[in-house]
Amino acid sequence: DAKTTQPTSMDCAEGRAANLPCNHSTISGNEYVYWYRQIHSQGPQYIIHGLKNNETNEMASLIITEDRKSSTLILPHATLRDTAVYYCIVRVDNPTGNQFYFGTGTSLTVIP
Amino acid sequence: GAVVSQHPSWVICKSGTSVKIECRSLDFQATTMFWYRQFPKQSLMLMATSNEGSKATYEQGVEKDKFLINHASLTLSTLTVTSAHPEDSSFYICSAVRETEAFFGQGTRLTVV
Repeated sequence: DAKTTQPTSMDCAEGRAANLPCNHSTISGNEYVYWYRQIHSQGPQYIIHGLKNNETNEMASLIITEDRKSSTLILPHATLRDTAVYYCIVRVDNPTGNQFYFGTGTSLTVIP
Repeated sequence: GAVVSQHPSWVICKSGTSVKIECRSLDFQATTMFWYRQFPKQSLMLMATSNEGSKATYEQGVEKDKFLINHASLTLSTLTVTSAHPEDSSFYICSAVRETEAFFGQGTRLTVV
């Protein structure tokens, strides 16, 4: 089962930063936080992941609180193409392999 | 980045027939692949974990005899929906993990009529 909770939807003005929150209060010490996004009728696209430290790549930044119970994905300059459903995922390590359980996600709409 | 390919992208079948969906990792070997199902306006639901050379592990509530999974090689896993019914109509997505990242296929839209 998913270990994350996210707001159902958010709006963001084009060109502004989009800050997407995620709660994962039951995360274990060695479980990673991943973010994926899904544009309608396509497979999810990887954005970023992290364990404890904040991470940044060409797409986004990931801010993880010190207690690791929550995180925020930041899209620094949102564009219309960033409109998608964003999933915050805690990767679960099982004997059968690392498993990615999706929560409900946040539907982000970037407004012109 | 790594590529995972699904085939077909969409399929329409008659009720009672079986449909096979293929998932291939094109540029890496995947000992483990995953199959998800997604209904309209809902999130992805993990159905099963497919392990190369062994039986798949199914999530609770997923019928293993209805959703047959075969992971015959390190680059190919197949999902067969047997005796499909209209309620099986859905978007099926596979993923393969390389190191720490899960790569997803483009999905297969199944419509059972």
